[in-house]
Amino acid sequence: KQEVTQIPAALSVPEGENLVLNCSFTDSAIYNLQWFRQDPGKGLTSLLLIQSSQREQTSGRLNASLDKSSGRSTLYIAASQPGDSATYLCAGISYNTDKLIFGTGTRLQVFP
Amino acid sequence: NAGVTQTPKFRVLKTGQSMTLLCAQDMNHEYMYWYRQDPGMGLRLIHYSVGEGTTAKGEVPDGYNVSRLKKQNFLLGLESAAPSQTSVYFCASSPRAGRGETQYFGPGTRLLVL
Repeated sequence: KQEVTQIPAALSVPEGENLVLNCSFTDSAIYNLQWFRQDPGKGLTSLLLIQSSQREQTSGRLNASLDKSSGRSTLYIAASQPGDSATYLCAGISYNTDKLIFGTGTRLQVFP
Repeated sequence: NAGVTQTPKFRVLKTGQSMTLLCAQDMNHEYMYWYRQDPGMGLRLIHYSVGEGTTAKGEVPDGYNVSRLKKQNFLLGLESAAPSQTSVYFCASSPRAGRGETQYFGPGTRLLVL
């Protein structure tokens, strides 16, 4: 059964720092992996989608990588801003389940 | 384009009461999903639909029923609410199979069962 773990569970940093959020999964038969952002009391917004044939995706200050052999994905946030404060969720789809399996998220706070 | 909308936004129920949560999408997506989000548990799939008139069970389907009579709507029903169903419910949709497509989420429905 696919399990997705995110470390750390919470992170508080000053503005301007570069951040790395980690996501690990147990099923190496991953098809794609997505990173979502969730603001308090709101739904999820897709940030990046990495297909199995890709190693990374970039959008603005965000870069996500996928290493299927080690069962890990990382989300890199460059030059963090207070507006980046949110919960970040990763979710993977494996060939076996064909459904999104979510991690429990990393709650990020960036203070001025 | 409203995307994915959910009604109601918040509801309080007493144990044993029933209710229906409505999800609507205007993107002509084939796939629709219902998730619940609980603290420390992440999002878990309740039921999903791969097209109009079809439904299937997800990871935690017990106590819920669904219907997809129209392509744009996906209903989640609680026949006899229990306190364990207190949660935030999210609906999502995607154009085709979940593998290569991102899912688009609604704003959520907060349900409190007393």
